[in-house]
Amino acid sequence: EAGVAQSPRYKIIEKRQSVAFWCNPISGHATLYWYQQILGQGPKLLIQFQNNGVVDDSQLPKDRFSAERLKGVDSTLKIQPAKLEDSAVYLCASSLDRASGSRSEQFFGPGTRLTVL
Amino acid sequence: QKEVEQNSGPLSVPEGAIASLNCTYSDRGSQSFFWYRQYSGKSPELIMFIYSNGDKEDGRFTAQLNKASQYVSLLIRDSQPSDSATYLCASSITGNQFYFGTGTSLTVIP
Repeated sequence: EAGVAQSPRYKIIEKRQSVAFWCNPISGHATLYWYQQILGQGPKLLIQFQNNGVVDDSQLPKDRFSAERLKGVDSTLKIQPAKLEDSAVYLCASSLDRASGSRSEQFFGPGTRLTVL
Repeated sequence: QKEVEQNSGPLSVPEGAIASLNCTYSDRGSQSFFWYRQYSGKSPELIMFIYSNGDKEDGRFTAQLNKASQYVSLLIRDSQPSDSATYLCASSITGNQFYFGTGTSLTVIP
């Protein structure tokens, strides 16, 4: 079974530029998560999708971050414009079904390491 | 107050010893708890999950949950150098929100 795919793996941009990340979850997984992990910290949930609907985006900085999940499969996360403090690893994860409650195991992709100069 | 708190360490144990990792959580509505291992530069991988009070064992790993004390722990028996990593504790309330701690760095000394 293929895992969660993410691209690019690394990205370096200057502040005020825009950047987009792509995620392809495990086939059949209804729930998709985007996390931000700053060096030395645990992952912070940015947004959670159930199929193509948003379940939770309470911690997404909506003035600069946006995300979509078209057709309930792939997802993109965009930052526009980027700030220095956005330097982090952006992790995508997927789980089988939110309906199974809080016991759903999340599988993480390899992450995208973003450096904002 | 952070939802999930962990001692950041670093924690060092000799090879073959028991490593004990601890985590507390603030929301009594939390239902499930997860331990992830994260090697440097890699993404987290699930080791164990627990949602009932008591102990849950899987090979060299034992997760312990005490809901009254809002405390979760992970014991690693017969620690190996390959266990050296950061261990993340996470809680989930309803399946909507997952909260991760900052992680505890573990080094197993050969």
